[in-house]
Amino acid sequence: AQKVTQAQTEISVVEKEDVTLDCVYETRDTTYYLFWYKQPPSGELVFLIRRNSFDEQNEISGRYSWNFQKSTSSFNFTITASQVVDSAVYFCALSEDGNAGNMLTFGGGTRLMVKP
Amino acid sequence: ETGVTQTPRHLVMGMTNKKSLKCEQHLGHNAMYWYKQSAKKPLELMFVYSLEERVENNSVPSRFSPECPNSSHLFLHLHTLQPEDSALYLCASSRSEGTGSKQYFGPGTRLTVT
Repeated sequence: AQKVTQAQTEISVVEKEDVTLDCVYETRDTTYYLFWYKQPPSGELVFLIRRNSFDEQNEISGRYSWNFQKSTSSFNFTITASQVVDSAVYFCALSEDGNAGNMLTFGGGTRLMVKP
Repeated sequence: ETGVTQTPRHLVMGMTNKKSLKCEQHLGHNAMYWYKQSAKKPLELMFVYSLEERVENNSVPSRFSPECPNSSHLFLHLHTLQPEDSALYLCASSRSEGTGSKQYFGPGTRLTVT
């Protein structure tokens, strides 16, 4: 069965610090997708990135970067030079090939607080 | 993109009431989803509809009844709820129900059962 673990429930940093959010997943499938979503105080989840299991290239988008390592079943997310607007709950999620209905399994989320 | 809307945004209901949550997507997607987010549990998928047919029902109690009259609208009918059903209910949509399809979420309905 699939499982996603975000061990950090809450992180607090000061603006301009770099911060890494950890995500570890479990799956028996060889084909799967990993996602990161951001949930600001407004409530809606905002899509950040999708990565399939055959693409282990790291990705950078502005201040955001993602490190996907199949060997350790991890898909970590780093925010460089954090800003107050980055304060939110961040969710990592997994979708296995063959799931009926594109079911996403979410981790418990990491609440990031960026202080000015 | 915020092409998924949900109404109402907040709802307080008694245990004997009947109410409905509404979700509408303006993205031309074919699949829609209901999730429950409570303080004590991670996001849980409740229902999936693809092309107006229910694809997945994730062992949800019968006091929650979904309805998908067309590919743009999704409802969640509520009756005789319990206090533990208080949560944020999120709707999402995607182009298809295939694995890996990016899901777009609405702002949610904050439900309080008294």
